[in-house]
Amino acid sequence: EPEVTQTPSHQVTQMGQEVILRCVPISNHLYFYWYRQILGQKVEFLVSFYNNEISEKSEIFDDQFSVERPDGSNFTLKIRSTKLEDSAMYFCASRPPAGDSYEQYFGPGTRLTVT
Amino acid sequence: RKEVEQDPGPFNVPEGATVAFNCTYSNSASQSFFWYRQDCRKEPKLLMSVYSSGNEDGRFTAQLNRASQYISLLIRDSKLSDSATYLCVVNIVSAGKSTFGDGTTLTVKP
Repeated sequence: EPEVTQTPSHQVTQMGQEVILRCVPISNHLYFYWYRQILGQKVEFLVSFYNNEISEKSEIFDDQFSVERPDGSNFTLKIRSTKLEDSAMYFCASRPPAGDSYEQYFGPGTRLTVT
Repeated sequence: RKEVEQDPGPFNVPEGATVAFNCTYSNSASQSFFWYRQDCRKEPKLLMSVYSSGNEDGRFTAQLNRASQYISLLIRDSKLSDSATYLCVVNIVSAGKSTFGDGTTLTVKP
């Protein structure tokens, strides 16, 4: 069964450093998402991406964040200058073309620890 | 008011019990609805989509009431393996946005 993959599984970085979290969505999916979950808290929507552009972004997704689909398979989230409060689990998700299903499938997540 | 509100829980039930979770949403433009399950420190996994006609998958039944903006999940004959956090998710498809509830934690005890 195809699945969303994410790398790395755990990233430790120092405050102020840039990090890039990588995701490989399911191959025929066209809609891509990033979410974060701070330990013990709810899953929070960050951004959705379709047709090589951002469809929607939340208040959390400020100028420090960016997303990119650099090639046909990867979908990345960059945090330009990490803060302590960026420490969280970051989940990538993808869903099939419109009309097929609106169900999103999640990757296993990247745990980001900012020290 | 939160966009998606769930029973706070936690629910602690014995094996074999029937348990029901409720979820309400505030945005009437919401178009699609789901229940996800999340185990500790793992990713959310799709449990089932929720349709107005109601849908059933084995021991799990989901219902949607658009007029009341309310979603429910019923688990019958609960198993130890059902212990998890259950997340209500509401989508506004045109906006490409999904909103998660805070989750309801279920613990099934022997």
